[in-house]
Amino acid sequence: DTGVSQNPRHKITKRGQNVTFRCDPISEHNRLYWYRQTLGQGPEFLTYFQNEAQLEKSRLLSDRFSAERPKGSFSTLEIQRTEQGDSAMYLCASSSRDREGTGELFFGEGSRLTVL
Amino acid sequence: GDSVTQMEGPVTLSEEAFLTINCTYTATGYPSLFWYVQYPGEGLQLLLKATKADDKGSNKGFEATYRKETTSFHLEKGSVQVSDSAVYFCALSVPFGNEKLTFGTGTRLTIIP
Repeated sequence: DTGVSQNPRHKITKRGQNVTFRCDPISEHNRLYWYRQTLGQGPEFLTYFQNEAQLEKSRLLSDRFSAERPKGSFSTLEIQRTEQGDSAMYLCASSSRDREGTGELFFGEGSRLTVL
Repeated sequence: GDSVTQMEGPVTLSEEAFLTINCTYTATGYPSLFWYVQYPGEGLQLLLKATKADDKGSNKGFEATYRKETTSFHLEKGSVQVSDSAVYFCALSVPFGNEKLTFGTGTRLTIIP
């Protein structure tokens, strides 16, 4: 079990450029989540997939953000026309439901975005 | 909506001191409650959880009790170690939904020898 893997770990880009982050969840997990974390704050929910279906999107996810999980395995998060306010750590997590209906979320180490 | 209010940090303690980090929540229904920890250079990991009122979660000497009457889930440890230095996040989720976590702002804990 290699855990949740995120790439790249750090991305520096200029304002207006597009960036894409990739998340590889734990292989048997059917649930995948994206979160955003800014300095001094807790992670904020962005979006959720069950298998390949995107079932919930936060209002934080503007039209410039798109996430996919085409085959129900890895996921990508793309940010178009980046702005300085997009600078943050983007976290991916995966889980499988347990009998209590509350599965533990396993987090990756995150992808840090810096927009200049 | 659901929210978690967490004790402001940072917190600095001497080794072997008693630790309490306060956490209160607001939620519809009956949430499950969690403490996650982020060690330097590592990803978030689950420390402990409790899924119903009066349950006590425990791990690595840390404990937290789900108090429905006070809507609280305070984290405690009787004797902290330098290796406990990390950022601690209180969180909740509503079971049998999408189980997304709602986090508090985090408390940075530093233990000095």
